[in-house]
Amino acid sequence: DVKVTQSSRYLVKRTGEKVFLECVQDMDHENMFWYRQDPGLGLRLIYFSYDVKMKEKGDIPEGYSVSREKKERFSLILESASTNQTSMYLCASSFTAKNYNEQFFGPGTRLTVL
Amino acid sequence: AQKITQTQPGMFVQEKEAVTLDCTYDTSDPSYGLFWYKQPSSGEMIFLIYQGSYDQQNATEGRYSLNFQKARKSANLVISASQLGDSAMYFCAMREESNFGNEKLTFGTGTRLTIIP
Repeated sequence: DVKVTQSSRYLVKRTGEKVFLECVQDMDHENMFWYRQDPGLGLRLIYFSYDVKMKEKGDIPEGYSVSREKKERFSLILESASTNQTSMYLCASSFTAKNYNEQFFGPGTRLTVL
Repeated sequence: AQKITQTQPGMFVQEKEAVTLDCTYDTSDPSYGLFWYKQPSSGEMIFLIYQGSYDQQNATEGRYSLNFQKARKSANLVISASQLGDSAMYFCAMREESNFGNEKLTFGTGTRLTIIP
C-alpha cells in the first residue's frame, strides 16, 4: 500500500522557534512536494524536489527552506516561525512520469504558531 | 491571474442526485493534465480522476466523470447518484511545467460539497 507519512499530525510552536516538518514516502518516488492549505486559498506550493539534493521554489517559498538528503525523506524548515505560518501543511510525492503523475499525499500537519 | 478557478465555494445537494462541480483553467501549454482530488473532514487528499489534454474521450472512474471541454478550458467533475459519503472538499488541479521544466500541480480554491439526506 502506498504510503506518505508526516512526523506529526498536530504541532504547537512559539514565534521565533525553528520548526522542522518531516515527510517520508516508501514508493521510491523521485518528486516530493510541500504545500500549505488555508481556508479559501486552497493548496499552495511552497517548495518541491525532483531529485536528492535538488529543489525548486514553489509559489510561496518566503520564510521556508527545505532539505532532501535521501530520496525517501523531504523536510520543510521554518527558520523562525511566525504567526502567519499557522496552517495545515501537506506533503506529497510522485513519480517523474510524463502525462500522468498523480501525487500521493500524507495526512497533513496542523501547525499552530503562538 | 488564477490558473485554476473553482467558482462554487459551497454546494448542497440532495442524496441520490447528480452533482457537477465546476473548474476552469488557464494555460498556453498544449500539453497539460487535469486532476480532481477529494478531501474528507479527516483531511487526507484522495485522488479521484485524471484527464490529459490529448485524451480523446472524457475520463470516467465509477461514479465520477470529467466533462472536459477543451475550447472552453473547463474540466467539470460530475458525480452521479450522490451519497452521504461524498460530502467533502473537492479540489481541481492542473499539471504544468515549472520555470525549470519540472512538473508541478496548481490547485484551485476548492468546493465544499454537502450531501443532504
